Amino acid sequence: KQEVTQIPAALSVPEGENLVLNCSFTDSAIYNLQWFRQDPGKGLTSLLLIQSSQREQTSGRLNASLDKSSGRSTLYIAASQPGDSATYLCAQNTGTASKLTFGTGTRLQVTL
Amino acid sequence: EPEVTQTPSHQVTQMGQEVILRCVPISNHLYFYWYRQILGQKVEFLVSFYNNEISEKSEIFDDQFSVERPDGSNFTLKIRSTKLEDSAMYFCASSAQSGVRPLHFGNGTRLTVT
Repeated sequence: KQEVTQIPAALSVPEGENLVLNCSFTDSAIYNLQWFRQDPGKGLTSLLLIQSSQREQTSGRLNASLDKSSGRSTLYIAASQPGDSATYLCAQNTGTASKLTFGTGTRLQVTL
Repeated sequence: EPEVTQTPSHQVTQMGQEVILRCVPISNHLYFYWYRQILGQKVEFLVSFYNNEISEKSEIFDDQFSVERPDGSNFTLKIRSTKLEDSAMYFCASSAQSGVRPLHFGNGTRLTVT
């Protein structure tokens, strides 16, 4: 059974810090991995998608990496801002059907 | 930027009643999905839909659930006889290309079964 784990479960940092969120997956047959942001009471906003053939993807202050051999992905957020406060979810896709297996999320708070 | 829209935002129903959750995917997307998130738990896959038929479904998606694309814009999830354990946030998603392009999610419908 596929398992996706995210650590830490919660993280609080002061504004301006760089931070790393971790995602581990057990199924090596990964097709792609997607990072999402979820604000309270809202849906999921897609941040980055990394195909299995890629090592990393960047969008603005966000950089996501993928290491299939170790079953890990990281989301790096540079120069964090209070507006980055949200829950960050990673989701593994092991096939072409986009049947995503989600992690439990990391709840991030960026303080002034 | 185009969005996936879901209605209603909150639905309260009594156990045993039928509910229909509605979604309008992004207009040029061809692949549609329903996911759900029980309070405090992970987001779970329910079903994927393409070319007017189900592509894949999870164990959760039993005979009480059905999906339909009644016209060119709407995508619905029906629960025939709701149970208390169906209470959750239900998310609709769409994608331009399955497995390659990212999924875009709506804001969800919070279903409360009493």
